[in-house]
Amino acid sequence: DVKVTQSSRYLVKRTGEKVFLECVQDMDHENMFWYRQDPGLGLRLIYFSYDVKMKEKGDIPEGYSVSREKKERFSLILESASTNQTSMYLCASTGESLAFFGQGTRLTVV
Amino acid sequence: GQNIDQPTEMTATEGAIVQINCTYQTSGFNGLFWYQQHAGEAPTFLSYNVLDGLEEKGRFSSFLSRSKGYSYLLLKELQMKDSASYLCAVRDRSSASKIIFGSGTRLSIRP
Repeated sequence: DVKVTQSSRYLVKRTGEKVFLECVQDMDHENMFWYRQDPGLGLRLIYFSYDVKMKEKGDIPEGYSVSREKKERFSLILESASTNQTSMYLCASTGESLAFFGQGTRLTVV
Repeated sequence: GQNIDQPTEMTATEGAIVQINCTYQTSGFNGLFWYQQHAGEAPTFLSYNVLDGLEEKGRFSSFLSRSKGYSYLLLKELQMKDSASYLCAVRDRSSASKIIFGSGTRLSIRP
């Protein structure tokens, strides 16, 4: 059973905090992705990684960084959280013909 | 770059058929996905097309025409539980298999 697991379902953080969102997959997939989803804007790609220690910017990387030290884990980092980063964050992992999502993390920055 | 277009909202009647269209532009096409997403939940995989033609899976079918940059998702015998957003996504071969999503089509089913 394919599993993409995000560390938290709900998070509340203060403005200026450093925030870590963790994503782990157990399918030995090479490609992993971080998206954010906002009403009316759909899923927007923040960063993706196609191998360990490899990363590429998506469409909205500003204010975020990522880390892929191990194949199964892809972390999204908000260096200094701001209220406009309040959103639903979705991690995905892809094989040849499938892409699976984690359950999502709803982050609120106050 | 990449661009994916799909209608924002659609409404259909229980028991009927609905077709959700998706057009895309990409520099290196390497497959198209359809996902279903219920409110407050993560997207779930419905289909994947990489070759032209129709793929059927029960009540859901997905069609692809690479030359036209066009796909559709066909839902038959609609049920109330089919009320959800449907996301079209394209994998780009030229960018290490980057996957870009459209904004989604919110489908409402009325009795």
